[in-house]
Amino acid sequence: EVQLVQSGAEVKKPGESLKISCKGSGYSFTTYWIGWVRQMPGKGLEWMGIVYPGDSDTRYSPSFQGQVTISADKSIDTAYLQWNSLKASDSAMYYCARWYGGNSGDHWGQGTLVTVSS
Amino acid sequence: QTVVTQEPSFSVSPGGTVTLTCGLSSGSVSTSYYPSWYQQTPGQAPRTLIYSTDTRSSGVPDRFSGSILGNKAALTITGAQADDESDYYCVLYMSSGISVFGGGTKVTVL
Repeated sequence: EVQLVQSGAEVKKPGESLKISCKGSGYSFTTYWIGWVRQMPGKGLEWMGIVYPGDSDTRYSPSFQGQVTISADKSIDTAYLQWNSLKASDSAMYYCARWYGGNSGDHWGQGTLVTVSS
Repeated sequence: QTVVTQEPSFSVSPGGTVTLTCGLSSGSVSTSYYPSWYQQTPGQAPRTLIYSTDTRSSGVPDRFSGSILGNKAALTITGAQADDESDYYCVLYMSSGISVFGGGTKVTVL
């Protein structure tokens, strides 16, 4: 069974750094893209970017390029979403998903809630 | 940046049929955009319904179907049920290798 398990909720202060994770199991982790999706409170889904764990190739939405870093460690079947300096506007639910063929999500993680507040 | 358009809301009667669409601010949607559709109920992670235009994800009832209608991708719910009341999002895959979500459609069953 394909599963994506995300790390737990985080509460951070503005300016702090953060790395959240998404661990895949039940499939060959290196041969499927992993995507990250943001959902701000009461808002819609936003595609942030994807990483191919096999060779760490990444693609970013222009809206998120330079704002976050997406990476993967294939040795532990885990993908990451990272911020160097959080802002209050980064407060949101973040979902990872297996991004089939690089073009659509097929399995989803449970979500990680990030709260950034002074 | 390309904008993916969806109707903000739709209402359907139980047992009725509703077709949601997914378009582009400029241009037509074709199968080359690999349109996909997702259902999300409040407080839950999204669930994949349709990928590659018309392929149902595992376990998705056949009352959900995907297609291209005119210059847009479409999701049709046939025989709507109360638990189909959700937000529905489409995604289009761009030639640059990135994907873009539509703004979502809130479907009410009443």
